Amino acid sequence: SQELEQSPQSLIVQEGKNLTINCTSSKTLYGLYWYKQKYGEGLIFLMMLQKGGEEKSHEKITAKLDEKKQQSSLHITASQPSHAGIYLCGADKDSNYQLIWGAGTKLIIKP
Amino acid sequence: EAGVTQFPSHSVIEKGQTVTLRCDPISGHDNLYWYRRVMGKEIKFLLHFVKESKQDESGMPNNRFLAERTGGTYSTLKVQPAELEDSGVYFCASSPRLHLGPEAFFGQGTRLTVV
Repeated sequence: SQELEQSPQSLIVQEGKNLTINCTSSKTLYGLYWYKQKYGEGLIFLMMLQKGGEEKSHEKITAKLDEKKQQSSLHITASQPSHAGIYLCGADKDSNYQLIWGAGTKLIIKP
Repeated sequence: EAGVTQFPSHSVIEKGQTVTLRCDPISGHDNLYWYRRVMGKEIKFLLHFVKESKQDESGMPNNRFLAERTGGTYSTLKVQPAELEDSGVYFCASSPRLHLGPEAFFGQGTRLTVV
């Protein structure tokens, strides 16, 4: 069965520094979603990638899907305290709603 | 516009007891999904409603779990009797479409602890 592996599991970054989170699939990805969760809050949609080589940006967050469509990366430039939280990748499984999920990456921003 | 709301935010119950979780989706969203995250593991799909009908309940772990969405509005997820392994965070999401993405919204989750 398809699995998503996220790395690193946790990350502590000095405010202002850049960082990258990876999401690797055991099978070809047909839809890759990035979400963010803050403690006590729901999952917030960040970006969705579908095409090999696709790249999307929102404010200081950029997500890419590699050409082989088996790995995605999430890059944050000049990190801020507001970026702290848990970042989750999800991928289409048999349908568009029964997503499989990575275990999440906990991001801590040091002031 | 109100978001997806889940009640309670936390619940601590003893093994063998019954707990009912509630999810109020965004008004007008026909699609409602339940997910759960067991401690230390990834989020898993439980089931999907389209209006009041169960479209897919393949992710429900066993018959101790019962989900309903009477009238196609709010949904409840009952666990009876609860077991220790049921502990985790239960998320609800709603969407006007059949897929998660920018139009889908998640609730804040219910943290269930079975002791």
